[in-house]
Amino acid sequence: RKEVEQDPGPFNVPEGATVAFNCTYSNSASQSFFWYRQDCRKEPKLLMSVYSSGNEDGRFTAQLNRASQYISLLIRDSKLSDSATYLCVVNDIPYKYIFGTGTRLKVLA
Amino acid sequence: DAGVIQSPRHEVTEMGQEVTLRCKPISGHDYLFWYRQTMMRGLELLIYFNNNVPIDDSGMPEDRFSAKMPNASFSTLKIQPSEPRDSAVYFCASSKLRGADHYQPQHFGDGTRLSIL
Repeated sequence: RKEVEQDPGPFNVPEGATVAFNCTYSNSASQSFFWYRQDCRKEPKLLMSVYSSGNEDGRFTAQLNRASQYISLLIRDSKLSDSATYLCVVNDIPYKYIFGTGTRLKVLA
Repeated sequence: DAGVIQSPRHEVTEMGQEVTLRCKPISGHDYLFWYRQTMMRGLELLIYFNNNVPIDDSGMPEDRFSAKMPNASFSTLKIQPSEPRDSAVYFCASSKLRGADHYQPQHFGDGTRLSIL
């Protein structure tokens, strides 16, 4: 089993739709979780940290389920500009971050 | 605030040449990471430093790769001799640890797009 697994997609959704991505991790001792966004030929950029109680930032909601070892990202009211690859990141051993391979999202007009 | 600065942005060179990539982390960050990204393998951690000391270099593919961090504001990743399979985007990232169990996210530079002919 991979340390961090994501559905590669692509997810093709119409503008205005709600879309959700899941990411599973294998190490139950993992302590920190993040979602990054990466546009084509650009660097990964932090989208949001994921807290145990769940957190929201505008149209984006992140949740953590430690019992089942997965994190999720929900995007509401999708915009064309949301088209990108979304990377799940898990802190595995102290200060070593494991990146998932990413989920591609394409929002269609 | 200035982000992570990498140079050069693009590098095209012939097989066998030495390649040096440079990185300036965000001021005050005490962790620095080097990554390589390809379509086939995704984002791979090559090495990371804490307070200028290499902590984990298990991701460095082979002896042709070496990295140094002579001070808190500068790091290099060197490939000698370079091979076509080294072609990739190389990212540098930095972060700062806050607390014993609260890990800060990493901030990435724009990357160096390396092509070895």
